[in-house]
Amino acid sequence: AQSVTQLDSQVPVFEEAPVELRCNYSSSVSVYLFWYVQYPNQGLQLLLKYLSGSTLVKGINGFEAEFNKSQTSFHLRKPSVHISDTAEYFCAVSDPRDSNYQLIWGAGTKLIIKP
Amino acid sequence: DGGITQSPKYLFRKEGQNVTLSCEQNLNHDAMYWYRQDPGQGLRLIYYSQIVNDFQKGDIAEGYSVSREKKESFPLTVTSAQKNPTAFYLCASTMTSGTTDTQYFGPGTRLTVL
Repeated sequence: AQSVTQLDSQVPVFEEAPVELRCNYSSSVSVYLFWYVQYPNQGLQLLLKYLSGSTLVKGINGFEAEFNKSQTSFHLRKPSVHISDTAEYFCAVSDPRDSNYQLIWGAGTKLIIKP
Repeated sequence: DGGITQSPKYLFRKEGQNVTLSCEQNLNHDAMYWYRQDPGQGLRLIYYSQIVNDFQKGDIAEGYSVSREKKESFPLTVTSAQKNPTAFYLCASTMTSGTTDTQYFGPGTRLTVL
């Protein structure tokens, strides 16, 4: 069965500093990969997704992620964070062959921006 | 505007009561999902539905029920059998044609048992 591990439950970082949020998945087959963001008391919003092709994926709000098949990772990065990036970030995977279109979710990483 | 709406935003329930959470989408999506979110646990799937009049249990379906009488609506009932219902509930939907599994989310309902 597939699983998703987000290695850090919280990541504190100073404003304007770079950040990396880590995501590893376990799967022996091809997967689709997603990063979602959740602001306090709101639903989830898609940041970016990897389906195929270029391993570097650019998303909204200046975020990008790199798919590394050999390390089964999909880490999320931003070169300079802003206070408005304070949120919880979720990594998710799906199996393209799954006819139920289900996502397997990581536990989330809270990004804490220090002024 | 297309999107997913959930109501109410906040809901309070006394122990022993059933409550129903509303989820409506006008995206013409086929599949709809209900998740429960607890702090530090990510999202857990309660129920999902691929087509009208059909739905399947997710990982934590006990104490919950759903219906899918219309394509755009997927209400969730939290029954008195659910022992710890206080949580944030999220509804999502997705197309089942094409090649992506992107799920789109509503704003959520926070349920508190008094």
